[in-house]
Amino acid sequence: QSALTQPASVSGSPGQSITISCTGTSSDIGTYNYVSWYQQHPGKAPKFIIYDVSNRPSGISNRFSASKSGNTASLTISGLQAEDEADYYCSSYTTSGPVFGGGTKLTVL
Amino acid sequence: EVLLVESGGGLVQPGGSLRLSCATSGFTFDTYTMSWVRQAPGKGLEWVSAISGSGGSTYYSDSAKGRFTISRDNSKNTLYLQISRLRAEDTALYYCAKDYRTVTQPRGAFDIWGQGTMVTVSS
Repeated sequence: QSALTQPASVSGSPGQSITISCTGTSSDIGTYNYVSWYQQHPGKAPKFIIYDVSNRPSGISNRFSASKSGNTASLTISGLQAEDEADYYCSSYTTSGPVFGGGTKLTVL
Repeated sequence: EVLLVESGGGLVQPGGSLRLSCATSGFTFDTYTMSWVRQAPGKGLEWVSAISGSGGSTYYSDSAKGRFTISRDNSKNTLYLQISRLRAEDTALYYCAKDYRTVTQPRGAFDIWGQGTMVTVSS
């Protein structure tokens, strides 16, 4: 159960768009369309923002979008806002149980 | 409102045991697979264990196999995690999390999380 690979940090200015990648293998992201994304502010529990690769749960802004190509999933946040500054985690189904990425810290400049 | 409230964490000596609880409300508890996810201080999320709605199927990460036991009491809408032979590397905030869908095997889609209960293993 190896963790998925995410960049440690990304940054962007308000109004811009950023993309966070999440790289796995053919045993997880490459085979299953069960990729989820979470947003976590300091001291808070994770918040569910994407499921099944590209679907947004009710109440999640359409500024959050996601996709997958091969073994890599991506989360894009458009129209960056100050409140988007947080840690972001991807997760994927595997036959051995879910696996998370190491997390990406998004800084809004 | 759907709520998950964890309890049972604390400071424990290496080799000790602990039972974590997660009291739930606001949804049909026995319909959903539930998981425990932990986060070591300053680190990322790590899925630990899951249990199906009926309690008939349990799942463990490699790091949890052998020392962790997940269970649930559907009459009390409560999830548990028993941890034995605690090690320093078990120090973490332990979250309980509800699966988004009514599936048996966890897919990593957790729509509701508790606030977590901190487990510190130290002498």
